[in-house]
Amino acid sequence: SAVISQKPSRDICQRGTSLTIQCQVDSQVTMMFWYRQQPGQSLTLIATANQGSEATYESGFVIDKFPISRPNLTFSTLTVSNMSPEDSSIYLCSVPTGLETQYFGPGTRLLVL
Amino acid sequence: AQSVTQLDSHVSVSEGTPVLLRCNYSSSYSPSLFWYVQHPNKGLQLLLKYTSAATLVKGINGFEAEFKKSETSFHLTKPSAHMSDAAEYFCVVSVSNTGKLIFGQGTTLQVKP
Repeated sequence: SAVISQKPSRDICQRGTSLTIQCQVDSQVTMMFWYRQQPGQSLTLIATANQGSEATYESGFVIDKFPISRPNLTFSTLTVSNMSPEDSSIYLCSVPTGLETQYFGPGTRLLVL
Repeated sequence: AQSVTQLDSHVSVSEGTPVLLRCNYSSSYSPSLFWYVQHPNKGLQLLLKYTSAATLVKGINGFEAEFKKSETSFHLTKPSAHMSDAAEYFCVVSVSNTGKLIFGQGTTLQVKP
């Protein structure tokens, strides 16, 4: 299994500002994923973050809005830029750990006013 | 392309009665399927997974699911509901060789005393 932590756990932000979310894993992993869960909705994949390469974004998500860093095999950040109320969501990172099992971080609850 | 459809957005059962949460999948190859649970204000927890081994999969907390290729279904069951089972349940399919997960829309399980 993998132990994943995220910071901050929650935040309230003003529109137009940016927030950087951190994801830390207790073991080295090649791939990390970032998901968004809008209020009352399911999870949607934002991007795949591989160490040493640019993140790969899913349709509907762009690097200018959600820049991602992956400086090493245990850490990644997701920035939500120029926020609007529509960005209010739970943001989760996840890592696969063999046999197609994936573990999720506890999530960052973001409210944009 | 892979997809999952959860047939019920909300299921209500009485404590001690059976639970059935329905999920149909679509995949052009033999899929890997999962059920995750999300308790209120908690993170995602893996309940069980199917990865082309036994078609009847047993998970945690007494849950199990049966993979039926002929019906393209992966329904989640539990013989006797407990109050602590009240949560949001997600049926999930993985995209082969990518690590990406596609989530169903979720089923809210309500357990009445």
